[in-house]
Amino acid sequence: KAGVTQTPRYLIKTRGQQVTLSCSPISGHRSVSWYQQTPGQGLQFLFEYFSETQRNKGNFPGRFSGRQFSNSRSEMNVSTLELGDSALYLCASSLSGGRGTFFGPGTRLTVL
Amino acid sequence: DQQVKQNSPSLSVQEGRISILNCDYTNSMFDYFLWYKKYPAEGPTFLISISSIKDKNEDGRFTVFLNKSAKHLSLHIVPSQPGDSAVYFCAASLSGSARQLTFGSGTQLTVLP
Repeated sequence: KAGVTQTPRYLIKTRGQQVTLSCSPISGHRSVSWYQQTPGQGLQFLFEYFSETQRNKGNFPGRFSGRQFSNSRSEMNVSTLELGDSALYLCASSLSGGRGTFFGPGTRLTVL
Repeated sequence: DQQVKQNSPSLSVQEGRISILNCDYTNSMFDYFLWYKKYPAEGPTFLISISSIKDKNEDGRFTVFLNKSAKHLSLHIVPSQPGDSAVYFCAASLSGSARQLTFGSGTQLTVLP
């Protein structure tokens, strides 16, 4: 069974630009969540989507948004990029009734 | 406000010995706990989990212990192998938001050959 996939793996942007990251969950998993990992703040929850609806949201500004499609694939968007947005962005998927959460390899975003 | 804490940033253990990684939490509403292993520039790999209705869960070389009264959990790895060298994160979730994980800051485990 294929794991969680994320594209692209690496991305370099400049301040003020916007970026879209993509995630394909494990087949059969309908829940997709996103996390940000930085050296200073560690791993922090961004938001979770289930059946195309955002169910939970972490403490991030409105510049961070996401969506989920009918095939459970998800995208997250960051607008007006800031230097502090440089991080590893991780996508995770879960079964609808299960508690196990499985992560993808991440997208390394660098903002210059 | 750090709700999940891993107070040891690093741990070194000899190959073949036991590795014990610790995690404390402050939110008594957490009812599900997970351990992940992570290599640099990769996503966390799920290792083992435990529900608050249990105090122990075992899977091969990995055992997780939960002490609810102390709000403490630990991960035991026996025997430790050099390939276990990685950063280990504990995470916790609430029943109402099962997939919103709160992570600790991680412990770098080094297993020496």
